[in-house]
Amino acid sequence: DADVTQTPRNRITKTGKRIMLECSQTKGHDRMYWYRQDPGLGLRLIYYSFDVKDINKGEISDGYSVSRQAQAKFSLSLESAIPNQTALYFCATSDLGGSNTGELFFGEGSRLTVL
Amino acid sequence: AQSVTQLGSHVSVSEGALVLLRCNYSSSVPPYLFWYVQYPNQGLQLLLKYTSAATLVKGINGFEAEFKKSETSFHLTKPSAHMSDAAEYFCAVSDDPTGNQFYFGTGTSLTVIP
Repeated sequence: DADVTQTPRNRITKTGKRIMLECSQTKGHDRMYWYRQDPGLGLRLIYYSFDVKDINKGEISDGYSVSRQAQAKFSLSLESAIPNQTALYFCATSDLGGSNTGELFFGEGSRLTVL
Repeated sequence: AQSVTQLGSHVSVSEGALVLLRCNYSSSVPPYLFWYVQYPNQGLQLLLKYTSAATLVKGINGFEAEFKKSETSFHLTKPSAHMSDAAEYFCAVSDDPTGNQFYFGTGTSLTVIP
């Protein structure tokens, strides 16, 4: 099983709908991230969380919200989806502990299409 | 603020030829630099990283990168391309190794020609 699991892997929805992307991890990491990938733009940070009580906006947080339900769970919500939110979304984790290597561990991505 | 520039959004090489993927960074502090690879329909995985130890960093699958402070570069190389190297490659920079924030380049798609 994957260490970082994203659901759903693919989703097609309509403009105005509420969408939630979920991420769970078994790595025991404190830090979790949501990125968005668009062709030619690379990865851009949406939100990140360093622990359950800590939520921080990233580069492109407008139109998105997040919830850190537990150390292992970090969900991303689009309250009212719009077509330019069509993208590939990645959840990632990083270790804050003594063995920290500064490495991000990624899920396999959630492809969202907003019609 | 940190930023990363990857020159060449698409690179094609013949199987067995040298792979060179370019990355330049801007940073006001000593950076931590990373190369990630993304295979089709997968997430990103770490190839290698520079965290102020040796300037020549060796990674997985025969890749290596050299940190050149004077050129603000961290180019990725592999002496002999293999078909399985076809993927998207991302350079990333962080201002600390614990990953407060990572800044990614726009990616380079590598095609390996048989």
